[in-house]
Amino acid sequence: SQELEQSPQSLIVQEGKNLTINCTSSKTLYGLYWYKQKYGEGLIFLMMLQKGGEEKSHEKITAKLDEKKQQSSLHITASQPSHAGIYLCGADLNQKVTFGTGTKLQVIP
Amino acid sequence: EADIYQTPRYLVIGTGKKITLECSQTMGHDKMYWYQQDPGMELHLIHYSYGVNSTEKGDLSSESTVSRIRTEHFPLTLESARPSHTSQYLCASSGVWGTANSGANVLTFGAGSRLTVL
Repeated sequence: SQELEQSPQSLIVQEGKNLTINCTSSKTLYGLYWYKQKYGEGLIFLMMLQKGGEEKSHEKITAKLDEKKQQSSLHITASQPSHAGIYLCGADLNQKVTFGTGTKLQVIP
Repeated sequence: EADIYQTPRYLVIGTGKKITLECSQTMGHDKMYWYQQDPGMELHLIHYSYGVNSTEKGDLSSESTVSRIRTEHFPLTLESARPSHTSQYLCASSGVWGTANSGANVLTFGAGSRLTVL
């Protein structure tokens, strides 16, 4: 079974719409990372969360780690075509970085 | 500007060939990793290294092998490629983010090597 589950698996939104991606862990998260991947390329680090309740923003992307530190959400405000790609959460589990199942985002102009 | 380099980016070879995927980083990171990525997006850790002469198998069993003779270099080798090895292979490295006590493990990824075995 997956230790990090992401939902939804895929998402198609109209440009300008808001969206949220969730990452749920079966274990307490001590370091949660969000990455973005464009098709056929490597992952780009977006942000990191470590404390329960912590929230970080970068441009129109906001990520939050819940108080119990077992779930994180990534919220994109007023989506743009440049936001399209695969979003992956990662966490320090078993002394290694484990990745979630991924969410593919398409933004329709 | 990439600080971690993977070559080749794309490789198409026949069954039974030996291949080596190269990975080099210029950041002085001790930790390096190889991930295999399904077409369905999931990343599976196949090898990792915490420093020179240190190599460990990851969560997903792989017929590939790795070596870490120099800090900056972490090549992956397949002695006899098969169609089941067709995949995207991503190399990454990590160092301490923020303070030394933070324990954070931010990975920097290469652009990937897409291997197709016919």
